[in-house]
Amino acid sequence: LAKTTQPISMDSYEGQEVNITCSHNNIATNDYITWYQQFPSQGPRFIIQGYKTKVTNEVASLFIPADRKSSTLSLPRVSLSDTAVYYCLVGDWTGGFKTIFGAGTRLFVKA
Amino acid sequence: GAVVSQHPSRVICKSGTSVKIECRSLDFQATTMFWYRQFPKQSLMLMATSNEGSKATYEQGVEKDKFLINHASLTLSTLTVTSAHPEDSSFYICSASPPGTGANINYGYTFGSGTRLTVV
Repeated sequence: LAKTTQPISMDSYEGQEVNITCSHNNIATNDYITWYQQFPSQGPRFIIQGYKTKVTNEVASLFIPADRKSSTLSLPRVSLSDTAVYYCLVGDWTGGFKTIFGAGTRLFVKA
Repeated sequence: GAVVSQHPSRVICKSGTSVKIECRSLDFQATTMFWYRQFPKQSLMLMATSNEGSKATYEQGVEKDKFLINHASLTLSTLTVTSAHPEDSSFYICSASPPGTGANINYGYTFGSGTRLTVV
């Protein structure tokens, strides 16, 4: 299982772009990178997943360099409701791997 | 999309009693489900892997006799906290992976909304 390292916390202001980087130096060939968002007293919610290069959906972008040893979740123009904990997970989802959560990044968006 | 339902969302029980938490995959079959525990301000901690039709696999340090897991069907896994004590008070979450998805369209695991257990 690829271990992940993220900043413990980040602060931002409404309307700004937020970039959260995750390190996963021992990522394996079949591993995908998935980001989740968790609000207090709720289960994690899928945000975005990628394998390499860049992935974009309606809520975020995911940038993955060629060596895949890190990834960056980009949240455009955050709002107060984006205040949450963000987790980066790495693994071979098709293989039914165990999801081991790191500490995650606590994002606090200020008005 | 894939939905995982957990019930109850919150429960209060007396010390020494047992509590059952249900995790259902509503629109897909899940041969494997996972159970987590989360304490305040902490990350999710994987407790066990629930396998349909076979025994659950517990993580190191998790008492299998205290946290009974039953995965009797492809859409239901249950976690029973036996002889609950105040230190078992926590937020319990389950997850499952929709099957039949290739790596290029896989969206990882779907999580339930969690169960807040308070033992008094």
